[in-house]
Amino acid sequence: QSALTQPASVSGSPGQSITISCTGTSSDVGAYNYVTWYRQYPGKAPTLMIYDVTERPSGVSDRFSGSKSGNTASLTISGLQSEDEADYYCSSYTTSVTWVFGGGTKLTVL
Amino acid sequence: EVQLVESGGGLVQPGGSLRLSCAASGFTFKEYWMHWIRQAPGKGLVWVSRIKGDGSHTVYADSVKGRFTVSRDNAKNTLFLQMNSLRAEDTAVYYCARDGDHWNFDYWGQGNLVTVSS
Repeated sequence: QSALTQPASVSGSPGQSITISCTGTSSDVGAYNYVTWYRQYPGKAPTLMIYDVTERPSGVSDRFSGSKSGNTASLTISGLQSEDEADYYCSSYTTSVTWVFGGGTKLTVL
Repeated sequence: EVQLVESGGGLVQPGGSLRLSCAASGFTFKEYWMHWIRQAPGKGLVWVSRIKGDGSHTVYADSVKGRFTVSRDNAKNTLFLQMNSLRAEDTAVYYCARDGDHWNFDYWGQGNLVTVSS
């Protein structure tokens, strides 16, 4: 199972919006609405930010939103804040009954 | 409060074995599928394995199939990962994670470093 494709890095200024893409195949992202996004600070464990493509767990800011079209999912962060600076990973359940992650995207808040 | 605490990592020679543990608390452990996920230094996350709540069903990534075995002791609320025939490319921080019922991982442990080197 190949990793999902994410941009290595994105950046934005405080208050702006950014979008991170996550491209897979018809065997993972395109097969189900089971795409999840995680945020990871350096040296820390990941935390769940978006699940089932668009759903936010309680406690996650509504500045975070998700979407999907075909084999590509996206995470949008609006109103960028300094604390959003982190690595972001997408993940998808697959038709092989396994999970696959993206390579990760480093978000820099300028 | 859900807590997952890994232990058992360390330095091991290529070809050697190691067993990781993950102590769970704050939820009814036996009711949840559990996962192992790893992250090589400076690299991305990679899913490793999954085990059903009663231990009756397991799934593995191709990269570890036949070498790693996941198990659990529900009486002790503990998840295990037995790693045999270790290779340099198995060097990573290993996380245990709870299955979130939405095909995701809703709680993660703090991670435990395994280094395979001579």
